[in-house]
Amino acid sequence: NAGVTQTPKFQVLKTGQSMTLQCAQDMNHEYMSWYRQDPGMGLRLIHYSVGAGITDQGEVPNGYNVSRSTTEDFPLRLLSAAPSQTSVYFCASSYLGFDYTFGSGTRLTVV
Amino acid sequence: DAKTTQPTSMDCAEGRAANLPCNHSTISGNEYVYWYRQIHSQGPQYIIHGLKNNETNEMASLIITEDRKSSTLILPHATLRDTAVYYCIVRVANSGNTPLVFGKGTRLSVIA
Repeated sequence: NAGVTQTPKFQVLKTGQSMTLQCAQDMNHEYMSWYRQDPGMGLRLIHYSVGAGITDQGEVPNGYNVSRSTTEDFPLRLLSAAPSQTSVYFCASSYLGFDYTFGSGTRLTVV
Repeated sequence: DAKTTQPTSMDCAEGRAANLPCNHSTISGNEYVYWYRQIHSQGPQYIIHGLKNNETNEMASLIITEDRKSSTLILPHATLRDTAVYYCIVRVANSGNTPLVFGKGTRLSVIA
């Protein structure tokens, strides 16, 4: 039982590049979410999913796409990276929707 | 509009109880109070949640006032490892359809 696994842990992108942040969980959790946390700030919700095939936007969805083709995986795609997307990205999952388990984060720098 | 109000920061002596307050005066009857914490640079960690009765688990106790307009998270014997940002979140009961939305939280510093 690995919990919530995020890859990569660190990434540097050039402005305009695209990439996918991976999130996988092996706990059969239906509910998954993506957050970003800028330095010294709180967490802001990007996108979330309540099950395979179902996603919805959070507080700051612009510039990001998600899909949920399986219960286990919830990748976050950056379409065209911008310096404003420099942040730490956290993925979280939950079985019943109250006690979310968070991954260790992906630290992304866009130059 | 913020659903909860928490102090920006608090200090607590190691070994003493840490009492973290949260005001949620507009809470609805079907909304629970959740507490999470985030230790520096790590992902947040679930602590406890409750509706109207006091709750206790291995990590903490949650005391909710009778009118449900405020609550207190109690760490009975704070250690240096409890230094973290603590988030109080009000949310519809156990519903993944309503995702967690974090506010600014309280930065708790446990001092030796």
